[in-house]
Amino acid sequence: QKEVEQDPGPLSVPEGAIVSLNCTYSNSAFQYFMWYRQYSRKGPELLMYTYSSGNKEDGRFTAQVDKSSKYISLFIRDSQPSDSATYLCAISGDSNYQLIWGAGTKLIIKP
Amino acid sequence: DTEVTQTPKHLVMGMTNKKSLKCEQHMGHRAMYWYKQKAKKPPELMFVYSYEKLSINESVPSRFSPECPNSSLLNLHLHALQPEDSALYLCASSQDPGITDTQYFGPGTRLTVL
Repeated sequence: QKEVEQDPGPLSVPEGAIVSLNCTYSNSAFQYFMWYRQYSRKGPELLMYTYSSGNKEDGRFTAQVDKSSKYISLFIRDSQPSDSATYLCAISGDSNYQLIWGAGTKLIIKP
Repeated sequence: DTEVTQTPKHLVMGMTNKKSLKCEQHMGHRAMYWYKQKAKKPPELMFVYSYEKLSINESVPSRFSPECPNSSLLNLHLHALQPEDSALYLCASSQDPGITDTQYFGPGTRLTVL
């Protein structure tokens, strides 16, 4: 079993829809949860960073962590074609800097 | 400013060439990283520098040689690469090594080995 599972997609939705992207993880010691967005042929860009459980909102983006279920989500409201990219979850433990990455979900927003 | 810059953007090299990739950050971060990313895969950690000292080498072949000349610069020297080394090479930095902290990535150098 991989430490972090993420559906690679692609996920295709119409413009304006609410998008839900998800990862599950296996190690309950993980406490740092990040979402990166990566456009084709570019480096990953940090979108959201959450410590422990709860929700965090930034504009159209909401990150949610449910540690009891070992499940993290990224919601995108009012999705735009410019949101089309690969979204990677990255998770880390308490005492090291090493990121455990999901496979990345390719998101396509259709105009 | 959360910018990490990398040069060159693209690099094509033969298997006998020697080349270098460069990375720079001016955020005062004390940890810097090299990652390798193949198409449709997440980044794979190669090296970590902590306070300008190499702290992690993830069993990377010796044809890849990292160097950290100062706290803002990170180089990756390439020699006798193989075609399977073709990938996107990413540099990242974070505020404080040893404590989980947000890593900021550069745009990457797309390397093609012929």
